[in-house]
Amino acid sequence: EVQLLESGGGLVQPGGSLRLSCAASGFTFNNYAMSWVRQAPGKGLEWVSGIKGGGGNTYYADSVKGRITISRDNSKNTLYLQMSSLRAEDTAVYYCAKAFYGSGSFYTLGFDCWGQGALVTVSS
Amino acid sequence: DIQLTQSPSFLSASVGDRVTITCRASQGISSYLAWYQQKPGKAPKLLIYSVSTLQSGVPSRFSGSGSGTEFTLTISSLQPEDFATYYCQQFNSDQYTFGQGTKLEIK
Repeated sequence: EVQLLESGGGLVQPGGSLRLSCAASGFTFNNYAMSWVRQAPGKGLEWVSGIKGGGGNTYYADSVKGRITISRDNSKNTLYLQMSSLRAEDTAVYYCAKAFYGSGSFYTLGFDCWGQGALVTVSS
Repeated sequence: DIQLTQSPSFLSASVGDRVTITCRASQGISSYLAWYQQKPGKAPKLLIYSVSTLQSGVPSRFSGSGSGTEFTLTISSLQPEDFATYYCQQFNSDQYTFGQGTKLEIK
């Protein structure tokens, strides 16, 4: 069974830093691109960042560029999100999500597996 | 970046109704569009990818269509479990933006 389990959420002061982890199991982790998606309280979904299976290519939303770094350790089947210079507007549930590929392709067509989410609260 | 605009933002309907949600892209996104369903307190669930392909296990009352910049999600006969929030998402660019969501409520 494919599973994603986020950890590392919590309360952090404005300007602070936090690292989220996402432990993956049930699939060949290094074969799949992964993303982080967040959802502020009562709001919609926002794609935050993505990383290819090999880890060499990373992508960011304009809203977090320069403050957030995505990475992965394929030997540990774990995805990370390092967040710094945090602001109140970064308060959200952060989900990790696994890419879904069509047959014969490594182009992401959707996210077919999501974690349960990790709550990050930025407040003094 | 590519922006997706969903309409309507809120939709009130009854069990058995046929409903359609529209997603408009700020530029062409080929066929790289997916739809998700999200229920309160839960992670989103992939319903449709590549505009119109149903993900495994998704009931056939869900369907998707469209091309270029305008896409639709249709539920042919609403069931009680379909009342949720629906999002579109594009994968044409390296920034995988979502629409703002459509909340489907029971009338």
